[in-house]
Amino acid sequence: EDQVTQSPEALRLQEGESSSLNCSYTVSGLRGLFWYRQDPGKGPEFLFTLYSAGEEKEKERLKATLTKKESFLHITAPKPEDSATYLCAAGGSNYQLIWGAGTKLIIKP
Amino acid sequence: KAGVTQTPRYLIKTRGQQVTLSCSPISGHRSVSWYQQTPGQGLQFLFEYFSETQRNKGNFPGRFSGRQFSNSRSEMNVSTLELGDSALYLCASSIQGIEQYFGPGTRLTVT
Repeated sequence: EDQVTQSPEALRLQEGESSSLNCSYTVSGLRGLFWYRQDPGKGPEFLFTLYSAGEEKEKERLKATLTKKESFLHITAPKPEDSATYLCAAGGSNYQLIWGAGTKLIIKP
Repeated sequence: KAGVTQTPRYLIKTRGQQVTLSCSPISGHRSVSWYQQTPGQGLQFLFEYFSETQRNKGNFPGRFSGRQFSNSRSEMNVSTLELGDSALYLCASSIQGIEQYFGPGTRLTVT
C-alpha cells in the first residue's frame, strides 16, 4: 500500500537554529515528491517538486533533497516567519497524491 | 497568472441542509482535486476531476459529490449536512493532476 510518513510531528527551534524535516515514502510508480507550506486557515502553498533520487532544490532558507526512500526539507537559520506546517506528498501511478500528516514547525525569536 | 479561486470563503449551514462550493482553477489546468481538512486530520482526499470526468475518488460517503464543467471550473456538493462536515474544504488545480496548486479554501461550519 502506498504510504507517506512525516517526522517529527512537531518541531520547536530557536531562531537561527538549523534542522531538517523528514518525509519517508513507499509509493509504486513515483511521479514526483512535493513539499508544501501551510499557514493556519489557509490553503497549502507549493514549495518544491523533486523527481529523481539525488535531486536538490532550494528557495531562500529551504532546501529539499530526495533519495529512493525519503526526502528531507532542510531549513537553515530559520526565522519566526518560517513557522508553519510543512506537508509532503508523493505522486502515485494513478495521478493521485498521497499525503503525509505534516510537521508543525515553530521558530521562537 | 491568476491563482485558484474558491467561493464562498465562509459558509454557515444547518444540519440537514445541502451546500455547493465552487472552484475556478488556474487557466490551462484541466485537473481539479478536492480535499477536506479538519484539525488533527490532515488533508483527506475527496475526488479529482480531469477533463470533466471523475478520475479518482476518496473514501467519503455518497453525500459528497462533484462535477467539472467544460471550462474546467468545478463544484462540490454536500447533501444532508452533518456536524462532522464542518471543515476547511480545499480545491487544488493541476495541469495533469500531480503538481497541485491550492486555493484559499472554503470554511464550512455546520450548526
